Formats: sequence, structure tokens, C-alpha cells
Amino acid sequence: DAGVTQSPTHLIKTRGQQVTLRCSPKSGHDTVSWYQQALGQGPQFIFQYYEEEERQRGNFPDRFSGHQFPNYSSELNVNALLLGDSALYLCASSFLGNEKLFFGSGTQLSVL
Amino acid sequence: GIQVEQSPPDLILQEGANSTLRCNFSDSVNNLQWFHQNPWGQLINLFYIPSGTKQNGRLSATTVATERYSLLYISSSQTTDSGVYFCAVIPGGSQGNLIFGKGTKLSVKP
Repeated sequence: DAGVTQSPTHLIKTRGQQVTLRCSPKSGHDTVSWYQQALGQGPQFIFQYYEEEERQRGNFPDRFSGHQFPNYSSELNVNALLLGDSALYLCASSFLGNEKLFFGSGTQLSVL
Repeated sequence: GIQVEQSPPDLILQEGANSTLRCNFSDSVNNLQWFHQNPWGQLINLFYIPSGTKQNGRLSATTVATERYSLLYISSSQTTDSGVYFCAVIPGGSQGNLIFGKGTKLSVKP
């Protein structure tokens, strides 16, 4: 049983570029959440997707957008990258109604 | 919004020692989870424990929701226990949005 998988593992971009991160949830899970983790901090909630709709959103600008596909996989898009967007981006999946989260290994994004 | 405070921020142990990590939260919660983040960044869910006590091998956790705290116990620590331990909560009346503390960084020396 595959857990939560994320790609790519590492990414280097320059300011102003756009990036897309991908996530496949754990088998049987229908809900995907994205978190941003800055160095030395706890993860911060970006948004959550269920049934291809954004269900909840944290305090992140509109430059951060997402999508969920019919197979429950998800993408996180960030436009107009800033240096401050450099962080570990974590995807977590769960089954709606059971909020125990399982995390992927993350994508380390560096913006130069 | 709800505040999640973890203590201590850093902890250094000799292999075989026991430890207690604490998580205080400022408001009622309907969900509390403990995670271990290994040096490679992987977050592992240790416990889903909104109340009561659970044990899993050398680890156990207790949440006293009425007093707004949770404790994670690590017994007979091993070097593989090193990493950062996070407490995360979902406030009462909210859905699906885990709020994390800043973590406790544990280093276990051989």
C-alpha cells in the first residue's frame, strides 16, 4: 500500500517564475491538504481539497492555487515566486470525517 | 486564534534515557495529533489523541482536554528517535485545518 507520494523532491526556481508541485494521496483517501514549512518552523496550512473543490484555505495569497483531480491526486501552483516562498511543501491526505493525516516526504523549493 | 506551545524547544538525551514532551493549547480542540519529523523531512503520525491515553511500543501519549495539554512520553530512547516532534490541533468547531506548534527538537546521543 503506497503512502502519500510527492514530486519532485527538490526544485530550484528564480523569482517571478511559476511552479507546480504534485501529490498522490494514500490509497483510500479522498482529501488532500497542503502545508508550507519554513526552516525551523512548524508546517502552516495552505488549503484543503475534497471532491475537486477547495474546502478550506489558510492565510496565503492568491498566488497559491490548487487543483484536485477525479483520482484524488492534487497539484499546488505558486505564481510570481518570491524569495520568501522558499520552503518545504508538504502534502497530507486523509479520509473525510477521519482527520488523522498522513504526510508525504515533501518538495523542497528554493527560490533564487 | 488558538495558540499551540511546545516545551522544551530543544532536548538532548543519552541513549536509553526517558523523556516527556509537553504541548499546551489555548482553546478547546476536537483533534490532537503528535508527529515525528525525521532528519529527511518525513512527518510520521505517531498518535491521534484528542483525549485519553494511548501507547505504541516505547511511546505513549496522554491528552487532558479539560486542562488543555498533551504529553508525549518516550522511554528507553534510541538514536533513531532523533528529530523534531510536533503537536498539532484542530480547534473545536473547525474542520480539517491542523495548527502546528513549533516543535521540540530531540537529539539522542549514543
